[in-house]
Amino acid sequence: QVTLRESGPALVKPTQTLTLTCTFSGFSLSTSGMCVSWIRQPPGKALEWLALIDWDDDKYYNTSLKTRLTISKDTSKNQVVLTMTNMDPVDTATYYCARTLFEQQLDRTWVDYGMDVWGPGTTVTVSS
Amino acid sequence: SYELTQPPSVSVSPGQTARITCSGDALPKQYAYWYQQKAGQAPVLVISKDSERPSGIPERFSGSSSGTTVTLTISGVQAEDEADYYCQSADSSGTYQYVFGTGTKVTVL
Repeated sequence: QVTLRESGPALVKPTQTLTLTCTFSGFSLSTSGMCVSWIRQPPGKALEWLALIDWDDDKYYNTSLKTRLTISKDTSKNQVVLTMTNMDPVDTATYYCARTLFEQQLDRTWVDYGMDVWGPGTTVTVSS
Repeated sequence: SYELTQPPSVSVSPGQTARITCSGDALPKQYAYWYQQKAGQAPVLVISKDSERPSGIPERFSGSSSGTTVTLTISGVQAEDEADYYCQSADSSGTYQYVFGTGTKVTVL
């Protein structure tokens, strides 16, 4: 059974750096095709994708937030960490991590199967 | 930046069919995915790769694609289908990144 769970501070001050950890089980990030994404959702607003890290340690970022984000993995601990610098009240949101699954086709290309399992989310408030 | 546009809301009576559209210029080249999010819960993947239904998703959920528009169809809507629905795809025009749609609130009357 695949599960993910986000953890981190519930409250951060403006200009501080936010560090969130996604701890997962049921799969390994060293297995080809496995990825973890971070997504956030401000209160009453739409989902916003933030970053993805794949089994090969390749990293992809939302270009509008790229300068503030860093994603990393610790395969031995089954954890993915997201840091976001210079936090602002507009960054107040529920932050989710989700497994993203790729499968290799017969022609050796990779096909994305989507974010198939999500964590419950963790709420972060940015306020002084 | 790349955008995926959805109608803000769709209302449907129980047993009827709800159709939710998602429009984006890159959709002819990239797969779309649909997520259901009930109030206070994390999203759930209901359609993968335009039209594939993941294991455990009821058959009343289906997806289709035509040009720059993808559509999520819920046939025989049930009260439990009331939720927000988001499409998602990839933008490969520059640096590869994912994009979510604006979201559609489905209300079961």
